[in-house]
Amino acid sequence: DAEITQSPRHKITETGRQVTLACHQTWNHNNMFWYRQDLGHGLRLIHYSYGVQDTNKGEVSDGYSVSRSNTEDLPLTLESAASSQTSVYFCASSESPVHEQYFGPGTRLTVT
Amino acid sequence: GENVEQHPSTLSVQEGDSAVIKCTYSDSASNYFPWYKQELGKRPQLIIDIRSNVGEKKDQRIAVTLNKTAKHFSLHITETQPEDSAVYFCAASMRGGADGLTFGKGTHLIIQP
Repeated sequence: DAEITQSPRHKITETGRQVTLACHQTWNHNNMFWYRQDLGHGLRLIHYSYGVQDTNKGEVSDGYSVSRSNTEDLPLTLESAASSQTSVYFCASSESPVHEQYFGPGTRLTVT
Repeated sequence: GENVEQHPSTLSVQEGDSAVIKCTYSDSASNYFPWYKQELGKRPQLIIDIRSNVGEKKDQRIAVTLNKTAKHFSLHITETQPEDSAVYFCAASMRGGADGLTFGKGTHLIIQP
């Protein structure tokens, strides 16, 4: 079955390290998104992509970057992890703007 | 940018009663309003959505209403059941969601037996 996966599911890293979170979908969806979820803030958009070679900044993009080299993957990189980036990260994808966004299972990141 | 306010933050209802969660949005250009349900430790899952050309949409026990003039939309759950206990998020977006969603902060719905 087609699906959207994230890896790792849990990660602990130290302040200042570079971290990459993977997101892979097998639906061949053009639109992909990264959100972070924090208590008291709901979900906030970090970056999004309309398709290969396209990336756009969301509401809370500082300290994060993404790249889209193929349709299936949108990795999220924290260039220099900070304690404020401790959060649960969700990737999502949708076939088109008129279709729903499907969320991945999430990655819990702890920055110590 | 868009701002979405959601109330209440916690809602406790008796099993079988109705629950209503309300959201307001700030940008009149928003045209897509989904509602997501998230169980503890799980991913958000879409339960219903509405677009700006529709005033109301219903799916079994769940309904959503949209008032574009007042810029608010609401989720109605009737005949609540224990499995309805979860956190519910409203969201709003322009361009149908293509540029991502702006979420409210969530409502923790508790169904009392």
